[in-house]
Amino acid sequence: AQTVTQSQPEMSVQEAETVTLSCTYDTSENNYYLFWYKQPPSRQMILVIRQEAYKQQNATENRFSVNFQKAAKSFSLKISDSQLGDTAMYFCAFMYPLNAGNMLTFGGGTRLMVKP
Amino acid sequence: GAGVSQSPRYKVTKRGQDVALRCDPISGHVSLYWYRQALGQGPEFLTYFNYEAQQDKSGLPNDRFSAERPEGSISTLTIQRTEQRDSAMYRCASSWGGQGGAEQYFGPGTRLTVT
Repeated sequence: AQTVTQSQPEMSVQEAETVTLSCTYDTSENNYYLFWYKQPPSRQMILVIRQEAYKQQNATENRFSVNFQKAAKSFSLKISDSQLGDTAMYFCAFMYPLNAGNMLTFGGGTRLMVKP
Repeated sequence: GAGVSQSPRYKVTKRGQDVALRCDPISGHVSLYWYRQALGQGPEFLTYFNYEAQQDKSGLPNDRFSAERPEGSISTLTIQRTEQRDSAMYRCASSWGGQGGAEQYFGPGTRLTVT
């Protein structure tokens, strides 16, 4: 079974600065997908970024980028130019599609506070 | 079109009562997933459907939990004889299915409180 670990329960960052959230996972599979989801105080689940394990290039979405280290099974999220609206819980998630129905396995989350 | 909708948004019930939680996925989405999220934790998988077929129910905690999607669209998660430990946010997600890695779109969730 796959496991996802987020070792930072809480983090804070000053507005306009950069912050990196850590995520590690454990799997014996080779082809899989990794995701970061954002959960603001409204408790919606919003997809931030997606990475295919077979792609060496790190995914980027505007101010959000990842550092995907497949050998180390690490998938960190970097938020640049942090904004107050980035305050939220962030969940890292793993998906192994073959024979596993595309269900997501989530980490325990990191609570990020952006301070003015 | 509209996103994933869930009803009710909040449900308070007494221990021992049955509850039914509804999920209306994005139109055309083949796959539908149910997750449960305890406060301060990440969502945990319960079950999923492709069309009307329940493909995996390995995450359902016990036989008090069941789910159906009879026409391949709306799904209902039913909890019988509720217990206080069932209190949580229940989330539904849908995806277009097909190729692996398809994005799952989440609904707003149903917050269940068992008193």
